[in-house]
Amino acid sequence: GAGVSQSPRYKVTKRGQDVALRCDPISGHVSLYWYRQALGQGPEFLTYFNYEAQQDKSGLPNDRFSAERPEGSISTLTIQRTEQRDSAMYRCASSLYSASGLYSNQPQHFGDGTRLSIL
Amino acid sequence: KQEVTQIPAALSVPEGENLVLNCSFTDSAIYNLQWFRQDPGKGLTSLLLIQSSQREQTSGRLNASLDKSSGRSTLYIAASQPGDSATYLCAFYSGSRLTFGEGTQLTVNP
Repeated sequence: GAGVSQSPRYKVTKRGQDVALRCDPISGHVSLYWYRQALGQGPEFLTYFNYEAQQDKSGLPNDRFSAERPEGSISTLTIQRTEQRDSAMYRCASSLYSASGLYSNQPQHFGDGTRLSIL
Repeated sequence: KQEVTQIPAALSVPEGENLVLNCSFTDSAIYNLQWFRQDPGKGLTSLLLIQSSQREQTSGRLNASLDKSSGRSTLYIAASQPGDSATYLCAFYSGSRLTFGEGTQLTVNP
């Protein structure tokens, strides 16, 4: 497809379970970003990659959250031992190359997100 | 910490009106700013990206301006249509990350 693809669209799981959210960026986009959006709020940055290298993970809320992009394409955001406060929309975006530490001028393109609900 | 404020939080207008959405930020040292549209159950659609060297960008009925000295950006929508109903978000670049406002929920009534 032409856009950023995220799966699953919806995920409902019990507290304490691990979840893995997947993002497939636009072809040719080497920068990939994860955001989390609470209801009625704007998205908040979690982490981003250039190719397979994680450039900035300062937005990850705690060590239960991790992300990887082993081959520089598809990325997985993993949340271990989920808690109810983790419930949110998780959004992935991609862009052409955005150098770490410099102000980007590459527009980010977002997927439709994964709605995560922790019971 | 940079903060982004969008006013108003919600806006309801009749079809055909010209309208302005406001975005203000606390740090005038921002570089680039992007406006998005969010539809329920959908992703964010990029509308306009204004780079630091620019003062405004136009796309169709949309015009976005950036005034770093006053810490403001505005999105102007001309001749609004019911299809423009959505939440509009502004976001600025801090390095490669985007910092978003909370959005303005726009309803255009036929």
